[in-house]
Amino acid sequence: GNSVTQMEGPVTLSEEAFLTINCTYTATGYPSLFWYVQYPGEGLQLLLKATKADDKGSNKGFEATYRKETTSFHLEKGSVQVSDSAVYFCALSEAGGFKTIFGAGTRLFVKA
Amino acid sequence: ETGVTQTPRHLVMGMTNKKSLKCEQHLGHNAMYWYKQSAKKPLELMFVYSLEERVENNSVPSRFSPECPNSSHLFLHLHTLQPEDSALYLCASSQEVLAPYNEQFFGPGTRLTVL
Repeated sequence: GNSVTQMEGPVTLSEEAFLTINCTYTATGYPSLFWYVQYPGEGLQLLLKATKADDKGSNKGFEATYRKETTSFHLEKGSVQVSDSAVYFCALSEAGGFKTIFGAGTRLFVKA
Repeated sequence: ETGVTQTPRHLVMGMTNKKSLKCEQHLGHNAMYWYKQSAKKPLELMFVYSLEERVENNSVPSRFSPECPNSSHLFLHLHTLQPEDSALYLCASSQEVLAPYNEQFFGPGTRLTVL
C-alpha cells in the first residue's frame, strides 16, 4: 500500500541554520506530494505541494522537489527562524484517489 | 468567518455522555474530512464526504457517527466513548475529493478528553 516515511524528530536548530527534513514515499502511479505545517494549538496548514516529477514547490522560504527516481520529497530552508518552530508533515495523495496519507510528523525547534 | 471553523475547541465528557462536534467551511469546497490526531501516532483519516455523500469510512467504531447535511457543514456525533478516544479531532475541506485537487484546509481542531 501507499506510505510516507519522514525523519523522526525532534530536530533542534539555531536561528539562521539550514534545515532539511527527509521524506520518502511508496506509491503506485504518480501521486501528488505535500508538506503541511502545524503550529502549536492550531490545525495543519498546507506549506507547499508538487503534482508531478521534477516539480519544485516553494513557499515562505521553504522548498521541496518531487524526485521520482528516489521517491523523495525532502523539505529544505536556507535560514530558519524561531517562528518556524512547528511540526511538519509530509503527505501524498494518489492520482485519481481521495485519500491523503500523512507521515508521522517531524517536530522542529529553533533556538534564538 | 473565514476558512474552516470547529466548535467547541475543547470538550470534556464522561463515557456515558452524548456530544457532537461541529465543523463549518466557508471556502465553497465540495469535500470534507474528519481526522483523529493522537500523540505519537500518524494522523488517522476517519471519514470523507464528497457533496454530502460519504465516500470513505475507515473502520471507525460505531460510537463515532458522522453527519453531513450540506457541503458546508460536517458533524461528528459521539456516544459511549472510551478514554482512548481522547485526542485532537481535526476537520478539513478540499475543493474536490480527488487528487490533485484535494489539498486540504484544516480547522483548528477540537481537543476531546474522555473521562
